[in-house]
Amino acid sequence: DTAVSQTPKYLVTQMGNDKSIKCEQNLGHDTMYWYKQDSKKFLKIMFSYNNKELIINETVPNRFSPKSPDKAHLNLHINSLELGDSAVYFCASSQDSRRDTQYFGPGTRLTVL
Amino acid sequence: GEDVEQSLFLSVREGDSSVINCTYTDSSSTYLYWYKQEPGAGLQLLTYIFSNMDMKQDQRLTVLLNKKDKHLSLRIADTQTGDSAIYFCAERYLNDYKLSFGAGTTVTVRA
Repeated sequence: DTAVSQTPKYLVTQMGNDKSIKCEQNLGHDTMYWYKQDSKKFLKIMFSYNNKELIINETVPNRFSPKSPDKAHLNLHINSLELGDSAVYFCASSQDSRRDTQYFGPGTRLTVL
Repeated sequence: GEDVEQSLFLSVREGDSSVINCTYTDSSSTYLYWYKQEPGAGLQLLTYIFSNMDMKQDQRLTVLLNKKDKHLSLRIADTQTGDSAIYFCAERYLNDYKLSFGAGTTVTVRA
């Protein structure tokens, strides 16, 4: 009965590869997010979708492409992985209202070798 | 984030109170959050406060908001070893989806 789930939990890959991280929420929320946490634990938003529509797109390399097939899923595809992409990526969700609290998934630790 | 600042480390003895501090950029309508991250885990929402409130208490947690100084604090009473974690302060404007996080305060509870 996990509210916000992510797969995989760990991802180790070589530079130059393409990889995807998946996120699903069963809370019935309309808005989903991707955050990146770097090695210093600093958290920064990358993208947000509301009802499958992109509403936040921070300054992120265009190698990162989010995809929302439906409002319960938000996937993150990364092309041509670089060493600097190594981080923990968190998915989150909230109700449609901008007053609503964001609930986070367990994170995906990506290591690029 | 550059808009939200926190002290980086706090060491506290088991049974004592912990106070974690945060400063933020002001807005007429802002939500302020405290999240907890245990080692290797995701972020767990602890509590939040709206900027028209001064204080919020929830069991061992007390949030104090000083709007004049743009200062937010989280007090944990009777700190336990299970409270060892990183605590993030986050700010969100009323009509904005985006959360801005502080760098996190690592709390270490010693016996």
